[in-house]
Amino acid sequence: AQKITQTQPGMFVQEKEAVTLDCTYDTSDPSYGLFWYKQPSSGEMIFLIYQGSYDQQNATEGRYSLNFQKARKSANLVISASQLGDSAMYFCAMRAPVDSSYKLIFGSGTRLLVRP
Amino acid sequence: EADIYQTPRYLVIGTGKKITLECSQTMGHDKMYWYQQDPGMELHLIHYSYGVNSTEKGDLSSESTVSRIRTEHFPLTLESARPSHTSQYLCASSESRTGFLETQYFGPGTRLLVL
Repeated sequence: AQKITQTQPGMFVQEKEAVTLDCTYDTSDPSYGLFWYKQPSSGEMIFLIYQGSYDQQNATEGRYSLNFQKARKSANLVISASQLGDSAMYFCAMRAPVDSSYKLIFGSGTRLLVRP
Repeated sequence: EADIYQTPRYLVIGTGKKITLECSQTMGHDKMYWYQQDPGMELHLIHYSYGVNSTEKGDLSSESTVSRIRTEHFPLTLESARPSHTSQYLCASSESRTGFLETQYFGPGTRLLVL
Protein backbone atom coordinates (compact mmCIF):
# COMPACT_ATOMS: atom_id res chain seq x y z
CA ALA A 1 0.00 0.00 0.00
CA GLN A 2 1.14 3.54 -0.73
CA LYS A 3 1.93 5.46 2.43
CA ILE A 4 3.72 8.57 3.64
CA THR A 5 4.99 8.78 7.22
CA GLN A 6 6.07 11.92 9.01
CA THR A 7 7.16 10.98 12.52
CA GLN A 8 7.76 14.49 13.89
CA PRO A 9 4.49 16.15 14.92
CA GLY A 10 6.37 19.28 15.96
CA MET A 11 9.85 20.76 15.61
CA PHE A 12 11.64 23.82 16.96
CA VAL A 13 14.57 25.54 15.29
CA GLN A 14 16.53 28.66 16.09
CA GLU A 15 16.39 31.43 13.53
CA LYS A 16 19.23 31.22 10.97
CA GLU A 17 19.92 27.56 11.73
CA ALA A 18 19.19 24.63 9.43
CA VAL A 19 16.46 22.10 10.13
CA THR A 20 15.58 18.69 8.69
CA LEU A 21 12.00 17.46 8.48
CA ASP A 22 11.70 13.72 8.12
CA CYS A 23 9.60 11.84 5.59
CA THR A 24 9.55 8.16 4.72
CA TYR A 25 7.42 6.59 2.04
CA ASP A 26 6.24 3.19 0.99
CA THR A 27 5.43 2.13 -2.55
CA SER A 28 6.20 -0.86 -4.68
CA ASP A 29 5.97 1.10 -7.93
CA PRO A 30 9.26 2.26 -9.49
CA SER A 31 7.70 5.48 -10.82
CA TYR A 32 6.71 8.01 -8.20
CA GLY A 33 7.10 11.66 -7.31
CA LEU A 34 7.77 13.15 -3.91
CA PHE A 35 6.61 16.62 -2.93
CA TRP A 36 6.86 18.99 -0.01
CA TYR A 37 4.22 21.60 0.72
CA LYS A 38 4.16 24.40 3.29
CA GLN A 39 0.93 25.41 4.97
CA PRO A 40 1.03 28.65 6.97
CA SER A 41 -1.65 29.44 9.53
CA SER A 42 -3.61 31.22 6.79
CA GLY A 43 -4.38 27.80 5.32
CA GLU A 44 -3.08 27.78 1.77
CA MET A 45 -0.83 24.96 0.58
CA ILE A 46 2.36 26.25 -1.00
CA PHE A 47 4.36 23.92 -3.24
CA LEU A 48 8.03 23.92 -2.23
CA ILE A 49 9.99 21.20 -3.97
CA TYR A 50 9.70 18.04 -6.05
CA GLN A 51 11.81 14.90 -6.49
CA GLY A 52 11.13 12.22 -9.09
CA SER A 53 12.02 8.62 -8.42
CA TYR A 54 14.36 8.54 -11.40
CA ASP A 55 16.15 11.77 -10.57
CA GLN A 56 19.82 11.14 -9.89
CA GLN A 57 20.46 14.32 -7.96
CA ASN A 58 18.74 15.75 -4.91
CA ALA A 59 16.33 18.56 -5.72
CA THR A 60 17.09 22.07 -4.50
CA GLU A 61 14.99 25.25 -4.57
CA GLY A 62 16.58 28.21 -2.89
CA ARG A 63 16.84 27.48 0.83
CA TYR A 64 14.99 24.18 0.42
CA SER A 65 16.67 20.93 -0.50
CA LEU A 66 15.37 17.40 -0.55
CA ASN A 67 17.62 14.69 0.85
CA PHE A 68 16.48 11.74 -1.26
CA GLN A 69 17.68 8.32 -0.11
CA LYS A 70 15.96 5.84 -2.36
CA ALA A 71 17.23 2.66 -0.71
CA ARG A 72 15.96 3.88 2.66
CA LYS A 73 12.75 5.26 1.10
CA SER A 74 13.25 8.61 2.71
CA ALA A 75 12.76 12.13 1.34
CA ASN A 76 13.69 14.56 4.06
CA LEU A 77 13.28 18.31 3.61
CA VAL A 78 16.20 20.47 4.66
CA ILE A 79 15.58 24.17 5.26
CA SER A 80 18.76 26.17 5.53
CA ALA A 81 19.08 29.51 7.36
CA SER A 82 15.62 29.33 8.93
CA GLN A 83 13.53 32.46 8.97
CA LEU A 84 10.60 33.42 11.20
CA GLY A 85 8.34 33.17 8.17
CA ASP A 86 9.21 29.48 7.88
CA SER A 87 6.98 28.73 10.88
CA ALA A 88 4.20 26.60 9.42
CA MET A 89 2.94 23.07 8.89
CA TYR A 90 4.95 21.07 6.37
CA PHE A 91 3.45 18.17 4.47
CA CYS A 92 5.31 15.50 2.58
CA ALA A 93 3.35 13.91 -0.26
CA MET A 94 3.84 11.19 -2.82
CA ARG A 95 2.29 10.81 -6.23
CA ALA A 96 2.10 7.13 -7.10
CA PRO A 97 -0.35 4.82 -8.85
CA VAL A 98 -3.38 3.93 -6.76
CA ASP A 99 -6.15 1.83 -8.31
CA SER A 100 -4.92 2.46 -11.87
CA SER A 101 -4.62 6.22 -11.50
CA TYR A 102 -2.07 8.51 -9.94
CA LYS A 103 -3.07 10.16 -6.70
CA LEU A 104 -1.35 12.48 -4.27
CA ILE A 105 -0.99 10.89 -0.85
CA PHE A 106 -0.18 13.15 2.08
CA GLY A 107 1.59 12.56 5.36
CA SER A 108 0.21 13.83 8.64
CA GLY A 109 2.47 16.88 8.65
CA THR A 110 5.13 18.44 10.86
CA ARG A 111 4.58 21.75 12.60
CA LEU A 112 7.76 23.84 12.52
CA LEU A 113 8.26 26.75 14.87
CA VAL A 114 11.20 29.07 14.28
CA ARG A 115 12.43 30.80 17.42
CA PRO A 116 13.92 34.32 17.22
CA GLU B 1 2.92 28.07 -11.21
CA ALA B 2 -0.87 28.07 -11.20
CA ASP B 3 -3.14 30.94 -10.31
CA ILE B 4 -6.01 29.33 -8.49
CA TYR B 5 -8.74 31.12 -6.62
CA GLN B 6 -11.29 30.08 -4.04
CA THR B 7 -14.27 31.97 -2.68
CA PRO B 8 -15.37 32.54 -0.06
CA ARG B 9 -12.28 32.30 2.14
CA TYR B 10 -14.41 31.95 5.25
CA LEU B 11 -18.04 30.90 5.58
CA VAL B 12 -20.21 30.57 8.67
CA ILE B 13 -23.62 29.14 7.93
CA GLY B 14 -26.54 27.46 9.65
CA THR B 15 -27.51 23.82 9.46
CA GLY B 16 -29.62 22.88 6.45
CA LYS B 17 -28.44 25.66 4.15
CA LYS B 18 -27.24 24.97 0.64
CA ILE B 19 -23.74 26.21 -0.08
CA THR B 20 -21.45 26.36 -3.07
CA LEU B 21 -17.70 26.74 -2.73
CA GLU B 22 -16.16 28.29 -5.80
CA CYS B 23 -12.83 27.32 -7.35
CA SER B 24 -11.34 28.67 -10.54
CA GLN B 25 -7.93 28.57 -12.17
CA THR B 26 -6.46 30.61 -14.98
CA MET B 27 -3.74 28.27 -16.20
CA GLY B 28 -5.87 26.05 -18.42
CA HIS B 29 -5.12 22.98 -16.33
CA ASP B 30 -7.14 19.92 -17.27
CA LYS B 31 -7.09 18.33 -13.85
CA MET B 32 -8.74 19.75 -10.75
CA TYR B 33 -9.19 18.42 -7.24
CA TRP B 34 -11.03 19.07 -4.00
CA TYR B 35 -9.50 18.12 -0.66
CA GLN B 36 -10.95 18.24 2.83
CA GLN B 37 -8.69 19.01 5.77
CA ASP B 38 -9.44 19.24 9.47
CA PRO B 39 -7.21 21.67 11.40
CA GLY B 40 -3.62 20.45 11.66
CA MET B 41 -4.46 17.17 9.98
CA GLU B 42 -3.62 15.56 6.64
CA LEU B 43 -5.53 16.25 3.44
CA HIS B 44 -8.12 13.84 2.07
CA LEU B 45 -9.20 13.79 -1.56
CA ILE B 46 -12.98 14.08 -1.93
CA HIS B 47 -13.47 14.85 -5.65
CA TYR B 48 -11.42 15.15 -8.80
CA SER B 49 -11.91 15.93 -12.46
CA TYR B 50 -9.69 15.16 -15.41
CA GLY B 51 -11.53 17.48 -17.79
CA VAL B 52 -14.83 19.05 -18.76
CA ASN B 53 -17.84 16.86 -17.94
CA SER B 54 -15.60 14.43 -16.04
CA THR B 55 -15.92 14.09 -12.26
CA GLU B 56 -14.99 11.30 -9.87
CA LYS B 57 -15.29 10.70 -6.16
CA GLY B 58 -12.10 10.62 -4.14
CA ASP B 59 -10.89 8.45 -1.32
CA LEU B 60 -12.89 10.12 1.44
CA SER B 61 -16.64 9.75 1.22
CA SER B 62 -18.34 13.12 1.03
CA GLU B 63 -21.92 14.29 0.77
CA SER B 64 -20.82 17.13 -1.47
CA THR B 65 -21.15 17.17 -5.25
CA VAL B 66 -19.07 18.83 -7.94
CA SER B 67 -19.46 19.86 -11.55
CA ARG B 68 -17.02 20.70 -14.35
CA ILE B 69 -18.80 22.55 -17.12
CA ARG B 70 -15.84 24.80 -17.95
CA THR B 71 -12.14 23.96 -17.80
CA GLU B 72 -11.36 26.79 -15.43
CA HIS B 73 -14.23 26.29 -12.97
CA PHE B 74 -14.79 23.46 -10.46
CA PRO B 75 -17.44 24.35 -7.86
CA LEU B 76 -18.33 22.17 -4.88
CA THR B 77 -21.89 22.10 -3.53
CA LEU B 78 -23.39 20.94 -0.27
CA GLU B 79 -27.18 20.66 -0.59
CA SER B 80 -27.81 20.70 3.15
CA ALA B 81 -24.93 21.74 5.38
CA ARG B 82 -24.41 20.00 8.73
CA PRO B 83 -21.99 20.64 11.61
CA SER B 84 -20.04 17.53 10.53
CA HIS B 85 -19.16 19.40 7.31
CA THR B 86 -17.16 21.95 9.29
CA SER B 87 -13.66 21.79 7.85
CA GLN B 88 -11.26 23.46 5.45
CA TYR B 89 -11.78 22.73 1.76
CA LEU B 90 -8.82 23.10 -0.57
CA CYS B 91 -9.01 23.17 -4.34
CA ALA B 92 -6.04 22.22 -6.52
CA SER B 93 -5.18 21.92 -10.18
CA SER B 94 -2.48 20.36 -12.30
CA GLU B 95 -1.61 20.12 -15.97
CA SER B 96 -1.77 16.77 -17.68
CA ARG B 97 1.63 15.13 -17.57
CA THR B 98 2.96 11.66 -16.98
CA GLY B 99 1.27 10.67 -13.73
CA PHE B 100 4.06 10.83 -11.19
CA LEU B 101 5.53 14.02 -12.66
CA GLU B 102 2.44 16.15 -12.05
CA THR B 103 2.63 18.95 -9.53
CA GLN B 104 -0.61 20.07 -7.94
CA TYR B 105 -1.03 23.73 -7.11
CA PHE B 106 -3.46 24.74 -4.42
CA GLY B 107 -5.85 27.59 -3.87
CA PRO B 108 -6.03 29.51 -0.58
CA GLY B 109 -8.78 27.30 0.83
CA THR B 110 -12.27 27.89 2.24
CA ARG B 111 -12.80 27.51 5.97
CA LEU B 112 -16.37 26.37 6.55
CA LEU B 113 -18.14 26.49 9.90
CA VAL B 114 -21.62 25.04 10.09
CA LEU B 115 -23.55 25.97 13.22
